[in-house]
Amino acid sequence: EPEVTQTPSHQVTQMGQEVILRCVPISNHLYFYWYRQILGQKVEFLVSFYNNEISEKSEIFDDQFSVERPDGSNFTLKIRSTKLEDSAMYFCAWGTGGLATGELFFGEGSRLTVL
Amino acid sequence: GNSVTQMEGPVTLSEEAFLTINCTYTATGYPSLFWYVQYPGEGLQLLLKATKADDKGSNKGFEATYRKETTSFHLEKGSVQVSDSAVYFCALSDYRATNKLIFGTGTLLAVQP
Repeated sequence: EPEVTQTPSHQVTQMGQEVILRCVPISNHLYFYWYRQILGQKVEFLVSFYNNEISEKSEIFDDQFSVERPDGSNFTLKIRSTKLEDSAMYFCAWGTGGLATGELFFGEGSRLTVL
Repeated sequence: GNSVTQMEGPVTLSEEAFLTINCTYTATGYPSLFWYVQYPGEGLQLLLKATKADDKGSNKGFEATYRKETTSFHLEKGSVQVSDSAVYFCALSDYRATNKLIFGTGTLLAVQP
């Protein structure tokens, strides 16, 4: 059983549309992350989230992106107005004591295709 | 800045062959190093890790040694199985400075019976 469940598994959207990707942790996690991988490229860090706040974000994570944990369980990544270059696999991840433990647990990913 | 470079794939091997997937890194601090594996249809999962120079991480027959002198963390396995077919990601973290993992591009391994 996966530690993290991501939905949708695949979403196709038109450029300019809003997309919300969801991550549902199974247990009470503290550290959350979003990563993405454009086909054939590196897995890129987007944002980390701790104690209901963004703790770190990358240059990729501009004003078009937002994250929240509205009900204490779901962890969402919103892209307000998608661009073609947002097409990628998006991974949600979680950790316990930050990376001092050396391990993140990843969801299966949500594939986003922007047309 | 910190970065990871790993060999491009795909790597295609016959069952019981020896596997090496090269990984080198650039880091300003004292990173921890990781190998993650992604099996088809699943998320990334930690395969092994090493937190300081000369440490050897091992799991499921895979090994990697943290070599500071060559800034490398090559993944090896003496005898691969079909079930090892997956994408392998090298990653680093300097958790004293930042709370994120930096990944390489991933290397697809295909093991044929």
